[in-house]
Amino acid sequence: GDSVTQMEGPVTLSEEAFLTINCTYTATGYPSLFWYVQYPGEGLQLLLKATKADDKGSNKGFEATYRKETTSFHLEKGSVQVSDSAVYFCALSANNFNKFYFGSGTKLNVKP
Amino acid sequence: DAGITQSPRHKVTETGTPVTLRCHQTENHRYMYWYRQDPGHGLRLIHYSYGVKDTDKGEVSDGYSVSRSKTEDFLLTLESATSSQTSVYFCAIRPQPTRLGPSSYEQYFGPGTRLTVT
Repeated sequence: GDSVTQMEGPVTLSEEAFLTINCTYTATGYPSLFWYVQYPGEGLQLLLKATKADDKGSNKGFEATYRKETTSFHLEKGSVQVSDSAVYFCALSANNFNKFYFGSGTKLNVKP
Repeated sequence: DAGITQSPRHKVTETGTPVTLRCHQTENHRYMYWYRQDPGHGLRLIHYSYGVKDTDKGEVSDGYSVSRSKTEDFLLTLESATSSQTSVYFCAIRPQPTRLGPSSYEQYFGPGTRLTVT
């Protein structure tokens, strides 16, 4: 069945460091892929998305490229800030589009 | 802001009592979802609805029921709460595709309800 696997955390970085959070997926057909961010005590917010192979989603300095050949959608940011500390979820929208599948989340801690 | 509210935001209840959580949306979306969030599991789908009185089960539906008698409200009921249902519950909506182009079928989430069953 459809599923998402993302790297376990927590990930701890110093401010201005480069961030990569790995995400791979299993799906039939051509899913859409997403990254969500959850700040403490809040709901999930859509960070970026990609709908087809080779699409690059970007927002707030974060980027992720839909790689069909490696079934991956890794999240990157060139220079993290303390305010980026949050939990990040990779997700896919399955072929029937009625359901989402989430990874288990990766907690990012950014130290000043 | 997708206009989603959840109530209550926090609740503590005893094992064996019934609990109903409410999700309310203001933008007439057809699709609504209930998830639970637990450490190490991400979000898991409980039930979803694709219209008034149209609902279907997700991957962790045992012990939960839902109702949708009008478009704007989607209710999640724990008939007899158990400690294993202590969790944070999120409601989500999926906007309809528009004529402007294909939809990626993203979902937008409410603020969550923290439920503790003692």
